[in-house]
Amino acid sequence: AAGVIQSPRHLIKEKRETATLKCYPIPRHDTVYWYQQGPGQDPQFLISFYEKMQSDKGSIPDRFSAQQFSDYHSELNMSSLELGDSALYFCASGRASGSVVYEQYFGPGTRLTVT
Amino acid sequence: GNSVTQMEGPVTLSEEAFLTINCTYTATGYPSLFWYVQYPGEGLQLLLKATKADDKGSNKGFEATYRKETTSFHLEKGSVQVSDSAVYFCALSGRVQGAQKLVFGQGTRLTINP
Repeated sequence: AAGVIQSPRHLIKEKRETATLKCYPIPRHDTVYWYQQGPGQDPQFLISFYEKMQSDKGSIPDRFSAQQFSDYHSELNMSSLELGDSALYFCASGRASGSVVYEQYFGPGTRLTVT
Repeated sequence: GNSVTQMEGPVTLSEEAFLTINCTYTATGYPSLFWYVQYPGEGLQLLLKATKADDKGSNKGFEATYRKETTSFHLEKGSVQVSDSAVYFCALSGRVQGAQKLVFGQGTRLTINP
């Protein structure tokens, strides 16, 4: 079965650089969620999209932005990178039933290292 | 706000032992509850879920029952295997401002020795 695809899997950037992470949801899924997981931490919600519109925003820094495109893939743009941005970034997708998404399926993550 | 509390790890057991990982939650309304598993170097995999009170989620020998009266969703398995070694996250999904973001517990690292 098709899964959530994230690219790149690993990314190394220097401080103050910019990074773009991509997420391709499972076919026919209409919602995308982004999470950040620091070392030894639980995942923290960043932002979500439903039908290409932002649906919720969590602890996402102003330096980060994201969008969902017409083909439902999503990109997380991160600027002025800081050492503390080093983490595993997960994308998850789901399909709304009515207005409820009961399950989120996670991609393998992008490991971002800022040096 | 919504929150999830898991028993602190790490937990180390011998193969074929009985497993319980406690999870309690605080939420407004009626959240859905999940257990996710994360193997080393991998992403999060949905292990099981329950969407309403008294539902029992089960998968791969693991079970958890949604207990509204005790606000709990404890994970159990009767006989663990070495391959069950991983980090387990309890999570809830509540309809906050129209979205269903997941709120995770801090994770419990489980190690099974042969």
